[in-house]
Amino acid sequence: KNEVEQSPQNLTAQEGEFITINCSYSVGISALHWLQQHPGGGIVSLFMLSSGKKKHGRLIATINIQEKHSSLHITASHPRDSAVYICAVSPNFGNEKLTFGTGTRLTIIP
Amino acid sequence: ETGVTQTPRHLVMGMTNKKSLKCEQHLGHNAMYWYKQSAKKPLELMFVYNFKEQTENNSVPSRFSPECPNSSHLFLHLHTLQPEDSALYLCASTTGTGFSEAFFGQGTRLTVV
Repeated sequence: KNEVEQSPQNLTAQEGEFITINCSYSVGISALHWLQQHPGGGIVSLFMLSSGKKKHGRLIATINIQEKHSSLHITASHPRDSAVYICAVSPNFGNEKLTFGTGTRLTIIP
Repeated sequence: ETGVTQTPRHLVMGMTNKKSLKCEQHLGHNAMYWYKQSAKKPLELMFVYNFKEQTENNSVPSRFSPECPNSSHLFLHLHTLQPEDSALYLCASTTGTGFSEAFFGQGTRLTVV
């Protein structure tokens, strides 16, 4: 069993829909990261969370440390949001290496 | 543009070749990483360098040889690779302060023939 599990693996939605991607982890962490990977491979960091909630534009990320669970929400989804979204964790303070989930492939249809 | 640059973007090499991947960051970061992304598998850590010193080798075969001459540059030297080594190789950097966002390069798509 992976230390970081994401669901769903694939998600297709209509433009404008509210999107939720979930991430569960089984290890102690210092931070949880949400990353975005577009075709071509480059990865961009969207959020780094250690508690609570963060918002950036139409993206919202939440984390529940007690339940070891995080969600990434996209409001008013748009075709340009189509990408692979990856959850990753940093295992403990002082160590910034990442352990990754398998990713969620999101496709937004116009 | 994330501030981390990888070259080349694409590489095709034979199993007897020797090649090198290069990563450069101008963010003033002190930690650099090589990650591997194979088809249908999560990204996995290969090597970690902190302040030019290798601090982690994730049981990577010796046909992959990293080099970090300074905090801004990281290389991955490749020799006698196997077709199953074909993957996307991603470089990343962090501040090295213990709690930092990661910045990734665009990756090198490697095909071993």
